Amino acid sequence: QKEVEQNSGPLSVPEGAIASLNCTYSDRGSQSFFWYRQYSGKSPELIMFIYSNGDKEDGRFTAQLNKASQYVSLLIRDSQPSDSATYLCAVEGSGSARQLTFGSGTQLTVLP
Amino acid sequence: GAVVSQHPSWVICKSGTSVKIECRSLDFQATTMFWYRQFPKQSLMLMATSNEGSKATYEQGVEKDKFLINHASLTLSTLTVTSAHPEDSSFYICSARDLDRGRSPLHFGNGTRLTVT
Repeated sequence: QKEVEQNSGPLSVPEGAIASLNCTYSDRGSQSFFWYRQYSGKSPELIMFIYSNGDKEDGRFTAQLNKASQYVSLLIRDSQPSDSATYLCAVEGSGSARQLTFGSGTQLTVLP
Repeated sequence: GAVVSQHPSWVICKSGTSVKIECRSLDFQATTMFWYRQFPKQSLMLMATSNEGSKATYEQGVEKDKFLINHASLTLSTLTVTSAHPEDSSFYICSARDLDRGRSPLHFGNGTRLTVT
């Protein structure tokens, strides 16, 4: 069974700190990885995607991928209260439909 | 960027009635769309994969006769919840990706909050 695991949290960090969100996956054939942010009652919105091993930076966000360890993470620098949300890790399956499997999400609270 | 439109954003219906939810890709053609359901404080669960011009592929445990999916065109997929019951109350979200662009992320509609009374 293909699984995506996340620490459900809640994770609390002070404003201005670095928030670190982690995700592991079981399907070794997965090639594409996504981080979504979901505010309460809203639909997920894409933050970043990463396909290659290493780091990918976009503004305050950095995604890190290690396929050998089947691990993907998201770092949020200079965290803001507006970053408070649930962060969903999604992994694209190796099947032809390329479905995304989502983790259970990590609830992040940035304290002012 | 790719935009997915979902309608309605919320609906309240009586037990036993049917509800149709529409999902449209606005600026790209989507041969495949995905329907998710999310219960409070839980993650998104894939219900089915909607394929243009063919039958949908349902995930294990999802009743295909209850959740009817029609993907009649490259820009429109519909989900009909038939004979709805209170336990069907949930947040339904459609999604699509522009596969013609190669590796492209999944874009979500704004979701439909269904309440069955």
